[in-house]
Amino acid sequence: AQKVTQAQTEISVVEKEDVTLDCVYETRDTTYYLFWYKQPPSGELVFLIRRNSFDEQNEISGRYSWNFQKSTSSFNFTITASQVVDSAVYFCALSGRPYNNNDMRFGAGTRLTVKP
Amino acid sequence: ETGVTQTPRHLVMGMTNKKSLKCEQHLGHNAMYWYKQSAKKPLELMFVYNFKEQTENNSVPSRFSPECPNSSHLFLHLHTLQPEDSALYLCASSQDVLRGGDTEAFFGQGTRLTVV
Repeated sequence: AQKVTQAQTEISVVEKEDVTLDCVYETRDTTYYLFWYKQPPSGELVFLIRRNSFDEQNEISGRYSWNFQKSTSSFNFTITASQVVDSAVYFCALSGRPYNNNDMRFGAGTRLTVKP
Repeated sequence: ETGVTQTPRHLVMGMTNKKSLKCEQHLGHNAMYWYKQSAKKPLELMFVYNFKEQTENNSVPSRFSPECPNSSHLFLHLHTLQPEDSALYLCASSQDVLRGGDTEAFFGQGTRLTVV
C-alpha cells in the first residue's frame, strides 16, 4: 500500500525565516515518483517539483530546495527566507506507476502561514 | 486561457437538486481526473479517464456520475447529494510519459460545493 505522511498540520513563521516541510512516504514499488504541490487560497494546486525514485540528487530552485532521502523514505521541502506570498497549503504526493499518475496519493497537507 | 478551467467556482445545492460540474483543459493532455478535497482530509482521487475511457472509479457513490465526451472536457453530474458531500472538487489533467509528457498533474481552481 502507498501512503504519504505530512506530520506537520500547520506551521507559522515570520517573514525571512527558513522553514522545512516534512514528507515521509511508504511504498512497495521500486519505481515511483514524488511530488510537491502548493495550494494558495485561490484553490488550484500548483505543481512545484517531480522526483523519480532513481534520482536522489537534491534540487534547488530559487528559494526552494528539496531533500530526497531514500534511506529514510523522506522528501522534505525547505523554503529559504520565507515571504508572505509563500503562505499556502503544501501537499506532498506519491505515484507508484511510472507513466501516469492514476494512483497518485496525497498527504494531508501542511498549512504554512508566513507573517510579515 | 489557463491550463485547466473549472466552472462554476462556487455551487450551493439542495439535496434533491441535480447539477453538473464542468472541467476543460487546454493543454492537449490525454488523461483527466476528479479529486475531492474535504476539510482536514487528504485529497481523494474519485475518477480517472484516459483517452475518454474511464479507467478508475475509487468506490465513489453513484450519486456522483462522471462524463468525458472528449479528451478536453470532463463533467461531474451530481444528484441527491448529502451534506457530507460538501467539499472542494478539483479537476486535473496529465499526459502520459510514453506520449511525450510528464507525470505531474495540472489542476484547476476547483468548485466549492455546499450541499444544504
